[in-house]
Amino acid sequence: AQSVTQPDIHITVSEGASLELRCNYSYGATPYLFWYVQSPGQGLQLLLKYFSGDTLVQGIKGFEAEFKRSQSSFNLRKPSVHWSDAAEYFCAVGETGGNQGGKLIFGQGTELSVKP
Amino acid sequence: SAVISQKPSRDICQRGTSLTIQCQVDSQVTMMFWYRQQPGQSLTLIATANQGSEATYESGFVIDKFPISRPNLTFSTLTVSNMSPEDSSIYLCSVAAGGRGSPLHFGNGTRLTVT
Repeated sequence: AQSVTQPDIHITVSEGASLELRCNYSYGATPYLFWYVQSPGQGLQLLLKYFSGDTLVQGIKGFEAEFKRSQSSFNLRKPSVHWSDAAEYFCAVGETGGNQGGKLIFGQGTELSVKP
Repeated sequence: SAVISQKPSRDICQRGTSLTIQCQVDSQVTMMFWYRQQPGQSLTLIATANQGSEATYESGFVIDKFPISRPNLTFSTLTVSNMSPEDSSIYLCSVAAGGRGSPLHFGNGTRLTVT
């Protein structure tokens, strides 16, 4: 069965510092992978996705993520964090069967705090 | 990307009552997904709703508790029946607006509090 693990429940970084949020997945084939961000009281916003091809994907707001098949990982990175990046971040894995977009399995989420 | 409108955005309900949540999409989509996010938790899929067929429920969720309607390709409802305080959660509607590998787009959710 598919599963997603985000080992860090809560991370605090200083504004301007670099950020890496970890995500490990379990899936029998090459998965579709996604990172979402949820600000307090808001819905989920897609940051980026990996479908195929280049294993380093660029997203919105200066985020990027790297797919490493050998490590079953899809870590999210940002070179310089802004105070507005404080939010909850979810990694998700999607089904690859069928011709339609499918359901997603979400990790537990990582809460990011940014200190001045 | 699809624009998803959910109503109500929040509600406070008494135990034993039911609440129906509406989800409207600005384009026709085949599959719609209903998720639950319990306080401080991640998202858990409740069911997948296809137009013209019965919804498919995930383990731990049953139709009697969470009946779903999908009358057309742009609209769906989720009812939370016979509510208890444990049902206090955010309920989110989502759609996959493209083909294989397309991400899910989410509405802003319905924040439900059961007293």
